[in-house]
Amino acid sequence: DGGITQSPKYLFRKEGQNVTLSCEQNLNHDAMYWYRQDPGQGLRLIYYSQIVNDFQKGDIAEGYSVSREKKESFPLTVTSAQKNPTAFYLCASKGGTIDTEAFFGQGTRLTVV
Amino acid sequence: QKEVEQDPGPLSVPEGAIVSLNCTYSNSAFQYFMWYRQYSRKGPELLMYTYSSGNKEDGRFTAQVDKSSKYISLFIRDSQPSDSATYLCAMSARHNFNKFYFGSGTKLNVKP
Repeated sequence: DGGITQSPKYLFRKEGQNVTLSCEQNLNHDAMYWYRQDPGQGLRLIYYSQIVNDFQKGDIAEGYSVSREKKESFPLTVTSAQKNPTAFYLCASKGGTIDTEAFFGQGTRLTVV
Repeated sequence: QKEVEQDPGPLSVPEGAIVSLNCTYSNSAFQYFMWYRQYSRKGPELLMYTYSSGNKEDGRFTAQVDKSSKYISLFIRDSQPSDSATYLCAMSARHNFNKFYFGSGTKLNVKP
């Protein structure tokens, strides 16, 4: 079945470590997104990519990095520079026309220990 | 001021009630409006997608857009306990339709 797969579902990070969250889609979508969700704050955009080998910073990009080497993959690295990384991270993808919807993955819950 | 405002709730209603969920926005360029439902610890799923003003109905759900007032609504008829979730509104503009702006979400609890 087509969809977006995020892994792992739960991730624990020690302070000072970098961790990478995986996001893969088989929907042939051009655009992919990473959002962070904290309680009571809705979704905040970290990075998005509209095409392979290109991506733009969102509203809260500091302390995060991404790559888009393949159309189906958009991994997010949470670096040690991110001071408060504990959150629920959501990946999404969207087709290339105006009237197509964005589909979300099931999320990765990252906890700093 | 946030671009999209949404009452966080929680909103608690009895089973069978009509539920009204609302968002207001400040950017008059928004033309595409979406409602997502998110169950606890899951990714959001799209419920309704509307373009510009007007109403759209899908089963028990009706989405309404009033561009003159910069106000959108989602109505749920005959609400069920399975409708208990957080509802997120989202919107985008024609000139940059790949960038979405989300409300903070309204938590709904439908009591049996």
